[in-house]
Amino acid sequence: DAKTTQPTSMDCAEGRAANLPCNHSTISGNEYVYWYRQIHSQGPQYIIHGLKNNETNEMASLIITEDRKSSTLILPHATLRDTAVYYCIVRVGSGGSNYKLTFGKGTLLTVNP
Amino acid sequence: NAGVTQTPKFQVLKTGQSMTLQCAQDMNHEYMSWYRQDPGMGLRLIHYSVGAGITDQGEVPNGYNVSRSTTEDFPLRLLSAAPSQTSVYFCASSSWTGGNNSPLHFGNGTRLTVT
Repeated sequence: DAKTTQPTSMDCAEGRAANLPCNHSTISGNEYVYWYRQIHSQGPQYIIHGLKNNETNEMASLIITEDRKSSTLILPHATLRDTAVYYCIVRVGSGGSNYKLTFGKGTLLTVNP
Repeated sequence: NAGVTQTPKFQVLKTGQSMTLQCAQDMNHEYMSWYRQDPGMGLRLIHYSVGAGITDQGEVPNGYNVSRSTTEDFPLRLLSAAPSQTSVYFCASSSWTGGNNSPLHFGNGTRLTVT
């Protein structure tokens, strides 16, 4: 799987949009971009994923650049409960060593009142 | 539908003791995996399985054994616990059938302390 690079930490004011970047310059054509978050010591929680097109669900939006080398997770109206570590990973659907899903250290997002 | 269930939630072991961390999922997922998380670190993959009878090593497999006799269960065994294995352990599962892009579902973790 392609490696990803994320900033170590970010701050955001409550009620404002939080934009979390992720670089995945070695992504392959069949690899999806996934975002997860981990609140305190809980198990990571799936947020959203995409291949080429921008995606939106009830939690967030995912913007993927045209060359697919980077993406941005957008939390449109951040709340204090969105304070968490956010992980960006890339993976294919099946096959060989791509089963090794590895996570980096993620971005600690702190939402301030 | 309970999702991914890990037991126990907390465990204290003495150096050299053995134990098994249990993980069960009720979603009929083919893929299951174990991660450990240490303070200030991300999630590191220990072992994974793509189906019953099939297991493979992740990034940090030393000191851990796994087996996958059923689709539902994926236990992690520590044969001789060491203080370096003090960590939070997460089990995860995913549907993974030929091109499927289902996300990982995580359990709530087992917090293990080895003294």
